[in-house]
Amino acid sequence: EAGVVQSPRYKIIEKKQPVAFWCNPISGHNTLYWYLQNLGQGPELLIRYENEEAVDDSQLPKDRFSAERLKGVDSTLKIQPAELGDSAVYLCASSLRYPNTGELFFGEGSRLTVL
Amino acid sequence: RKEVEQDPGPFNVPEGATVAFNCTYSNSASQSFFWYRQDCRKEPKLLMSVYSSGNEDGRFTAQLNRASQYISLLIRDSKLSDSATYLCVVNQHSGNTPLVFGKGTRLSVIA
Repeated sequence: EAGVVQSPRYKIIEKKQPVAFWCNPISGHNTLYWYLQNLGQGPELLIRYENEEAVDDSQLPKDRFSAERLKGVDSTLKIQPAELGDSAVYLCASSLRYPNTGELFFGEGSRLTVL
Repeated sequence: RKEVEQDPGPFNVPEGATVAFNCTYSNSASQSFFWYRQDCRKEPKLLMSVYSSGNEDGRFTAQLNRASQYISLLIRDSKLSDSATYLCVVNQHSGNTPLVFGKGTRLSVIA
């Protein structure tokens, strides 16, 4: 069975440019998460979806970040405009349901470098 | 106080050594706990859940102390392949962000 798929794996952009990340969760997983991970830090939740509904986006910087999961399957995270401090790894994860057993399945992440 | 705190590391240990990591959590209502492993430049993966009575999986033992609000991970007979970052994860089962990750503790097992 395919795991969580993310693209692109790497992205280098100049500040003020837009960028988008895509995630396809494991088939049948209703809950989808976007996390931000800085070097030497643990993942920090940006947004959590239950099917197509964003049920927790309190940590998402809404002035520049947006996300969507239109059909309750794959999801896109967008940053516009990007800032230097946005350089990080953006991890997508999915789980069967929420509340869950604690097992999230992560994608390999999208590493963003903003110059 | 941060929600989940871990030993800062890095821990550099020789092969065959026993090493223990601790993690403390601030929300006394937290109900479930986990250890994740993250290899360098890879995604986190669930290592083991932590049960109230403590649990063991091969060379790995996880324990929970609810009174003191900490969990631990013990690795016996360390292997080179154990080198990774170990993330403590707490499920608060409440609030907007129920699953909280610690910063991780880096382990390097040296030959």
